[in-house]
Amino acid sequence: DAGVIQSPRHEVTEMGQEVTLRCKPISGHNSLFWYRQTMMRGLELLIYFNNNVPIDDSGMPEDRFSAKMPNASFSTLKIQPSEPRDSAVYFCASSLGLAGTPYEQYFGPGTRLTVT
Amino acid sequence: AQSVTQLGSHVSVSEGALVLLRCNYSSSVPPYLFWYVQYPNQGLQLLLKYTSAATLVKGINGFEAEFKKSETSFHLTKPSAHMSDAAEYFCAVSEMQAGTALIFGKGTTLSVSS
Repeated sequence: DAGVIQSPRHEVTEMGQEVTLRCKPISGHNSLFWYRQTMMRGLELLIYFNNNVPIDDSGMPEDRFSAKMPNASFSTLKIQPSEPRDSAVYFCASSLGLAGTPYEQYFGPGTRLTVT
Repeated sequence: AQSVTQLGSHVSVSEGALVLLRCNYSSSVPPYLFWYVQYPNQGLQLLLKYTSAATLVKGINGFEAEFKKSETSFHLTKPSAHMSDAAEYFCAVSEMQAGTALIFGKGTTLSVSS
């Protein structure tokens, strides 16, 4: 299995620029999660989808962040405009989850974002 | 609301010593509980999970955890530490009855010295 694929692995951008992070979940999985990891705040759930539908986006920091899942094999997390405080490692995870029956999540390698 | 508390942000042991990483949870309903490990510059990998089938759960790499409802704990143990166990460990909780999101603790960094 290829596992969860994230791209790019590293992204360096200047403040004010648009950043798009990409994720391909494991084939057959129907839940997808976006997390952000920083030293200060640890691992935070940003948003998750079930069957391509956003279920909970309460963790999205502000309107500058948006996420889409146009189909079962692709998701994007966009930051526009980016700010230095957005610097973090962003993880995508997927699982074969049914409502009320959580299964383990499989994590991608992450995208390390640096905003200067 | 659910929450997870990992006691000790950093634990140091000698190679061959017992590893004990503590996790306490708060949940108003019976929970699912997980332990994940993160090696440097990698994503999180599942070590083991509790889903009410058995209170003592065995995972990969010789780790195990025991669910104690009376203590609301799910501590992770390994009888003998190996240098390769050095990593960050996360405890996570999820409600059995609602959705599939996990709530993670802040993590414990395990250092192993020779």
